[in-house]
Formats: sequence, structure tokens, C-alpha cells
Amino acid sequence: EAGVAQSPRYKIIEKRQSVAFWCNPISGHATLYWYQQILGQGPKLLIQFQNNGVVDDSQLPKDRFSAERLKGVDSTLKIQPAKLEDSAVYLCASSSLTSGGYYEQYFGPGTRLTVT
Amino acid sequence: QKEVEQDPGPLSVPEGAIVSLNCTYSNSAFQYFMWYRQYSRKGPELLMYTYSSGNKEDGRFTAQVDKSSKYISLFIRDSQPSDSATYLCAMRGDYKLSFGAGTTVTVRA
Repeated sequence: EAGVAQSPRYKIIEKRQSVAFWCNPISGHATLYWYQQILGQGPKLLIQFQNNGVVDDSQLPKDRFSAERLKGVDSTLKIQPAKLEDSAVYLCASSSLTSGGYYEQYFGPGTRLTVT
Repeated sequence: QKEVEQDPGPLSVPEGAIVSLNCTYSNSAFQYFMWYRQYSRKGPELLMYTYSSGNKEDGRFTAQVDKSSKYISLFIRDSQPSDSATYLCAMRGDYKLSFGAGTTVTVRA
């Protein structure tokens, strides 16, 4: 079974520029998550999708961040304009319901963003 | 106060030692408790999860949850150099995971 795919793996941009990240979840997973992981910290949930719909985007800085999941499969996360504090690894995860009744999340390798 | 507290370490142990990791939390609504392992430049991968209080063992790994103390632990027996990674605790009440900061572990050969 193929894992969660993300691209690009690395990105360096200057502040005030725009950037977009792409995620392809595991086939059949209805739930997709975007996390931000700042160096030395645990992942922080930015947005959660259930199929096409947004379940939780309470921690997404909506003035600069946007995300979409068209057709309930792939997803893109965009930052416009970027700030220095956006330097982080952006992780995409997808999940399915296990036999134990738990939604196990599978993470992609992440996109490491450096804003200079 | 953070919802989940985890000592970032780093922790360095000799091969074969027992690694002991722990987290404390403040949200009584947490019911699912997870441990993730994250290798450098990789995404986290689920090691173990426990529902409510109790112990769970999987090979060299043992997870313990004490809801009365709001304290969870992970023990790694007979540690190997391949266990060198960052270990993240995570917890969930309804649907959202809350992560600790992660503890970086190095097992010296």
C-alpha cells in the first residue's frame, strides 16, 4: 500500500512570497490533515478535511493560509504572503477507521519550508 | 500551560538499556493515548496506542497510561541503535490529536 505522498520535499522562499504544498493521501482515506511542525515542537493541526468538507480549521491563520481538497482526494495548502515564522515542516496525514474503532493517522514525509 | 507536556531531552543511553519516556497532560477529556516515532526528516509513525488507563505491550515496547495522574509512559527494552529517533506522545479526546514536543533519544552502540 502506497503511503501519503507530499511535494515538494524542500522549499526556500523569501518573506512575502507565496508557496503551495501538495498532498496525495492513502487511497480510500476519507480524512486528511495538514499539520505544522516547528523545529523542537510537536505537530500542530492546521486543518482537517472529511472528504471535501472542512471539519476543523480553528488553528489555520486564515489571513495568509488557505487549503482545499477538491474531489475528496488530493489537497493543497497555500501560504500567501509568507512570514519568517512560517518556517517549519508541513506534514500531511490521512486516516481510516481501524477495527478497534480508532482513526489511525498515517503521515507523509513532510515539506520543509524555509522563509528567508 | 500546554495541554501536553513532554521533556524534550535529549536522552542518550547505551545499547541494551531501558529507555523511559513520559508525558503529562491537563485535559481530562483525553481518552486515546499514542506514541509516535519520528526519524530525522521523516513523518511521525504510530508505535502504540492505548484506550483509557492501563498497560499495553508490543514486543520491546510497553505503554502505560494513568488517567488519575494524567501521566503516560513508554518503555523501550533492550534498546538498539535503530531506536534512535524522536518520540512524540499524542492524545485525543474527540477527534483532534494534541502532541507533545517530542523527546530525542540516541542509543549508543
